Amino acid sequence: DAGVTQSPTHLIKTRGQQVTLRCSPKSGHDTVSWYQQALGQGPQFIFQYYEEEERQRGNFPDRFSGHQFPNYSSELNVNALLLGDSALYLCASSLVGGGAGKYFGPGTRLTVL
Amino acid sequence: GDSVTQMEGPVTLSEEAFLTINCTYTATGYPSLFWYVQYPGEGLQLLLKATKADDKGSNKGFEATYRKETTSFHLEKGSVQVSDSAVYFCALTQGSSNYKLTFGKGTLLTVNP
Repeated sequence: DAGVTQSPTHLIKTRGQQVTLRCSPKSGHDTVSWYQQALGQGPQFIFQYYEEEERQRGNFPDRFSGHQFPNYSSELNVNALLLGDSALYLCASSLVGGGAGKYFGPGTRLTVL
Repeated sequence: GDSVTQMEGPVTLSEEAFLTINCTYTATGYPSLFWYVQYPGEGLQLLLKATKADDKGSNKGFEATYRKETTSFHLEKGSVQVSDSAVYFCALTQGSSNYKLTFGKGTLLTVNP
C-alpha cells in the first residue's frame, strides 16, 4: 500500500519564478492538505482540498494556490517566488469521516535563490 | 486562535534514560491532540494521538495523556534508544475534524549510546 508520495524531492528556483509541487495521497484517502515547514520550525497549514475544492486556508497570500484532480492527487503552485518561500513543503492526506490523523509525505525541499 | 507550545530543545539523553517532552495547548472546544515524529531527512510520522480528555495515546513505548484541566499532552518514554533521535512535534486539530493541524515548533531529541 503506497503511502503519500510527493515530487520532486528537491527544487531550486530563483526569485520571481513560479513553481508547481505535486502530491499523490495514500490509497483510499480523499483529502489533501499542504503545509510549509521553514527550517527549525513546525509545519504551517497552507490549505486543504476535498472534492476538488479548497475547503480551508491558512494565513498565506494568494501567490499560493492549489488544485485537486478527480483522482484526489493535488498540486501546490507558488507564483512570484520570494527568498522566504524556501522551505520543506509537506503534503498530508486523510479520509473525511475517517477520524482525526493525517499521513504525511516525505516533502519537497524548495530553495529560492 | 489555536496554539501549541512545546518545551525548548534540544534535549540530549543517554540511552535508557527517561524522556519527557512537555506540550501545552490553547484551543477552543475539544481538540484532538497528536505527537508526530520527524526523522532526519524525512516527513512527519504520526506517533500517537488522543481524541478526548483523559485518553492515553501510546505507541512504540511512547505515551501521552490528554489532560484538559492543565491543557497538556506531555510525551513520555521510560527508556529511550539511539533510534529515537528525531524531532518531535506536538499538534492539535479541532474536534474530530480532518481539517488543519496546528503544530508546536518541535523539540530535537538526541540520544547518545
